[in-house]
Amino acid sequence: DIQMTQSPSSLSASVGDRVTITCRASEGINSNLAWYQVIPGKLPKLLIYASSTLQSGVPSRFSGSGSGTDFTLTISSLQPEDVAAYYCQRYNSVPLTFGGGTKVEIK
Amino acid sequence: EVQLVESGGGLVQPGWSLRLSCIASGFTFDDYAMHWVRQAPGKGLEWVSGISWNSGTKGYADSVKGRFTISRDNAKNSLHLQMSSLRDEDTALYYCAKGSRPSYYYFMDVWGKGTTVTVSS
Repeated sequence: DIQMTQSPSSLSASVGDRVTITCRASEGINSNLAWYQVIPGKLPKLLIYASSTLQSGVPSRFSGSGSGTDFTLTISSLQPEDVAAYYCQRYNSVPLTFGGGTKVEIK
Repeated sequence: EVQLVESGGGLVQPGWSLRLSCIASGFTFDDYAMHWVRQAPGKGLEWVSGISWNSGTKGYADSVKGRFTISRDNAKNSLHLQMSSLRDEDTALYYCAKGSRPSYYYFMDVWGKGTTVTVSS
């Protein structure tokens, strides 16, 4: 099975900072990667699919990039409402593996 | 508004069975695949199972294969997960999620709030 490795596992940044989360696949997955935001008590939310396509309604400060094995999620200017766990997920074959997650906090 | 509402969670003993349900509204249910995803306490997300729009294809994580069965009733806009031979490690918040395509090989674009399953003696 293809493994997905996220880094860092957690980070703390100030409001307005640029935040970057990395996701690495154990083998090439083209651009078949999605990013989700999970806030306890709220519905998990799809942010990005096809590596870089922003889901409708998601703020433009979120962006994704990458292809093959290396991917990034960037928050251009961190906001208090962005405190959450973020997960990458590969798709297009089974199992639909998630990365281990990155917990983002405000410093 | 697209909505997914899960039910059926609870406290059960190891070895017991449990059936989760998810009622969908706000979209054409039989146009899309559906999934179950879980999150154990303090852990990350784990894809559990997916089913195509017409139940023609189903997939399972290795951790639940042979113990869990996914099904759907398009007439009732409902998704189910029959869980048997439950283990302590099945304890988790179980999310119902809408697939983005008719095939379950794609990402999920809408999620429910989840239902909690606790397996403990």
